[in-house]
Amino acid sequence: AQSVTQPDIHITVSEGASLELRCNYSYGATPYLFWYVQSPGQGLQLLLKYFSGDTLVQGIKGFEAEFKRSQSSFNLRKPSVHWSDAAEYFCAVGAGGGADGLTFGKGTHLIIQP
Amino acid sequence: NAGVTQTPKFQVLKTGQSMTLQCAQDMNHNSMYWYRQDPGMGLRLIYYSASEGTTDKGEVPNGYNVSRLNKREFSLRLESAAPSQTSVYFCASGTTRSTYEQYFGPGTRLTVT
Repeated sequence: AQSVTQPDIHITVSEGASLELRCNYSYGATPYLFWYVQSPGQGLQLLLKYFSGDTLVQGIKGFEAEFKRSQSSFNLRKPSVHWSDAAEYFCAVGAGGGADGLTFGKGTHLIIQP
Repeated sequence: NAGVTQTPKFQVLKTGQSMTLQCAQDMNHNSMYWYRQDPGMGLRLIYYSASEGTTDKGEVPNGYNVSRLNKREFSLRLESAAPSQTSVYFCASGTTRSTYEQYFGPGTRLTVT
C-alpha cells in the first residue's frame, strides 16, 4: 500500500522568504501526486498535481513542486511567501488502477512571521 | 457551480445516537469519497464510490455506512455514534478514474459526547 510522509509538522518562515515543504512517498509504480492547502476552518484546495511528463509542475498561488523519482519526493516550493500563505499543507498520493481515494500525509502547519 | 456541498456544518451527538451526513456535488463527477480528519493524522478515507451504485471501504470504515443515492449525492451514516467518531468529516468528488483529482467540500465538524 502507498504511504506519504511529511517530515515537518510545523514550519515558520518570514514573510518574503522562500519556502520548501517536504514530501516523501512510498509506492511501487509511478504515483499520482498532489499538494492541497487548508486554511483554518476550511476545506481542502488543490494547489497542484503531477501525473507524468515534466517533473517540475506549476500550481496556483505561485507554488511549484518537483517530482524526484530517485528520492521518492515531491517537495513544494514558493520563492516568496505572503502572510496569506499561512495554512496547513497536505501532500497526497493516488495509486494507479482505480478511483480508490487518496492517501494523505499528516500535514505541515505553515506559520508566517511578519 | 456550488461544487461540493455538505450538511450540516456542525453537529453534536450523544453516544449511541445516529445521524446522516449529506454530501452533494454538481460537477458531474463519477467518483465520490468520505474522509475524516483528526489532529495530527491527516485525512483518512472512510468509504468511496467509484460510480453510481457502487461503494467500497476505505482505510477506516468501521462504525460507518454509506449510500450513493444517485450520481450527485453520497451520504455517510453513523448508526450508533461513539466518542472516537468525533472528527471533521470531508466529502470529495473526483474526475475520471485515471487522474484522482478530487474536490473537497467545506466539512462537517462532529462532536460525540
